[in-house]
Amino acid sequence: DSGVTQTPKHLITATGQRVTLRCSPRSGDLSVYWYQQSLDQGLQFLIQYYNGEERAKGNILERFSAQQFPDLHSELNLSSLELGDSALYFCASSPVGGSYPEAFFGQGTRLTVV
Amino acid sequence: SQQGEEDPQALSIQEGENATMNCSYKTSINNLQWYRQNSGRGLVHLILIRSNEREKHSGRLRVTLDTSKKSSSLLITASRAADTASYFCATPGRSQAGTALIFGKGTTLSVSS
Repeated sequence: DSGVTQTPKHLITATGQRVTLRCSPRSGDLSVYWYQQSLDQGLQFLIQYYNGEERAKGNILERFSAQQFPDLHSELNLSSLELGDSALYFCASSPVGGSYPEAFFGQGTRLTVV
Repeated sequence: SQQGEEDPQALSIQEGENATMNCSYKTSINNLQWYRQNSGRGLVHLILIRSNEREKHSGRLRVTLDTSKKSSSLLITASRAADTASYFCATPGRSQAGTALIFGKGTTLSVSS
């Protein structure tokens, strides 16, 4: 158990809909990262938050947004969903803003868009 | 965009054999990490090697780093069926990606008993 909790584990929704994925980082970790994993694109970095503020952006679509709350949990919002958004979405956390230490991953949310 | 690329994409071996996976990356780094992912599960950190290190060991794992060739290798000795998983190298991102870890596409290792 990494200490990172993601909910829900599975999500099935229709095209055009909006969903929210939730992540609780390890106790004390200030950084949260979101990744998308699909068969064709591999593991893609989406966005990083550090202590409530956006720190870095990767290949995140404009239809996607995220935030980190004062209690450090984070949410990833996906809107106007398309079939191609079906993927595993991972949250990871680490103690500091940089990637020097290891990142701890949650078990992921499997999103299926039908 | 991918920073690291693992090779081979897939590897099948027998229990007891050694497994070697390679990672090549494009830009200078200050550290490189290896992660393991069991099917459909979250990634688990295996080992971190800094740019001033050439080799590092952790149990049955041995990692090397050659910064002149921008490459790293992960060796798993005396493989077990439980080592069946995907293995990824990860490096700190550049520019827009800040310092978040950027992963390669991974090597899928299958160890049969």
